[in-house]
Amino acid sequence: GNSVTQMEGPVTLSEEAFLTINCTYTATGYPSLFWYVQYPGEGLQLLLKATKADDKGSNKGFEATYRKETTSFHLEKGSVQVSDSAVYFCALRSLLDSSYKLIFGSGTRLLVRP
Amino acid sequence: NAGVTQTPKFRILKIGQSMTLQCTQDMNHNYMYWYRQDPGMGLKLIYYSVGAGITDKGEVPNGYNVSRSTTEDFPLRLELAAPSQTSVYFCASTVLAGGPTDTQYFGPGTRLTVL
Repeated sequence: GNSVTQMEGPVTLSEEAFLTINCTYTATGYPSLFWYVQYPGEGLQLLLKATKADDKGSNKGFEATYRKETTSFHLEKGSVQVSDSAVYFCALRSLLDSSYKLIFGSGTRLLVRP
Repeated sequence: NAGVTQTPKFRILKIGQSMTLQCTQDMNHNYMYWYRQDPGMGLKLIYYSVGAGITDKGEVPNGYNVSRSTTEDFPLRLELAAPSQTSVYFCASTVLAGGPTDTQYFGPGTRLTVL
């Protein structure tokens, strides 16, 4: 079945450090890929998405590229801020699934120190 | 436009009690979902609905029931609560028109503890 695997956290960085959170997926066909962010005490918010191979999603300085050959969608940011501290979820949606449900990874907690 | 709203925010139940988690969206979305989030885990789908009067099971439906009498509301019913249902519950919605790449909008969640 379809699945998403994320690197385990927490990831602890100093402000202005470079961030990478790894995400790989298993899916039939060509899924759409998403990164969601969950700030403390809040629901999930879409951070960025990509719908086909080689697409790059970007938002708020975060980027991720849909790599079909490595089945990956790693999240990157060049310079993190304390306000980026949150839990980040990688997710996929299969075009073959009529429910359009999201399949999530287990989440990666990011802690950014001043 | 409030988006997706959920009530209550927090609830403690005793084993065997029942309750309904409320979810409302004001975006006229036809697809609605209930997910649960266990500690250190991703979200898992409980039930979903593709429109008023139509619901279907997700990955973890046991112990839950849903109904969808209107486009806006999608309540989740817990019958005979068990400790295994201690979790954070999220409601989400999306629109079909744009296809499967459309954004799912999430509510703020309900934190449920069963003791």
